[in-house]
Amino acid sequence: RKEVEQDPGPFNVPEGATVAFNCTYSNSASQSFFWYRQDCRKEPKLLMSVYSSGNEDGRFTAQLNRASQYISLLIRDSKLSDSATYLCVGWIYNFNKFYFGSGTKLNVKP
Amino acid sequence: NAGVTQTPKFQVLKTGQSMTLQCAQDMNHEYMSWYRQDPGMGLRLIHYSVGAGITDQGEVPNGYNVSRSTTEDFPLRLLSAAPSQTSVYFCASSYQNARDRGLVGWSEAFFGQGTRLTVV
Repeated sequence: RKEVEQDPGPFNVPEGATVAFNCTYSNSASQSFFWYRQDCRKEPKLLMSVYSSGNEDGRFTAQLNRASQYISLLIRDSKLSDSATYLCVGWIYNFNKFYFGSGTKLNVKP
Repeated sequence: NAGVTQTPKFQVLKTGQSMTLQCAQDMNHEYMSWYRQDPGMGLRLIHYSVGAGITDQGEVPNGYNVSRSTTEDFPLRLLSAAPSQTSVYFCASSYQNARDRGLVGWSEAFFGQGTRLTVV
């Protein structure tokens, strides 16, 4: 089983829709989590860190549920420019490594 | 402040050739790592380093060597290129942002722009 798992999608949504991605992790020692955005053939770029208390940045909200071992990303009022692949990433103290999910592809349609 | 710089951006190799992918960062980050990304797949860790003189293997280390003689540079060497090594390679760095009971935590990863390698 992979350390971090995501639904690969694609999620096809109209402009203005709200879309949610979930990501599960298997190692309860996972310490830090992040959401990255990756555009086609480009490097991943940090979208937001995920805190236990939940955090929001404009139209984006990230949540962490340690009891159920999942993190989520909510995108409100989707824009065409939100079309990309979203990667969830976990950091595990024990292994000194980042673990990347395979990514969820989002297509926002006019 | 250039961040993480990878060279070259594109490379074509013949099977059996060797080469070095360069990665340099100017942010004084202790942690550096190399990933490969194949079509439709996520990032897989090849090697990583938590500081100068220290390297360790990731998920897919076979066929690759690394060294970390300075904080800034973390080159990835392909010993004898094979078509299976055709991929996009990303270098990333992080800084230490936590220490808890002897364990070290790291910030988010800062990525270079990638090297697209084709082995024919």
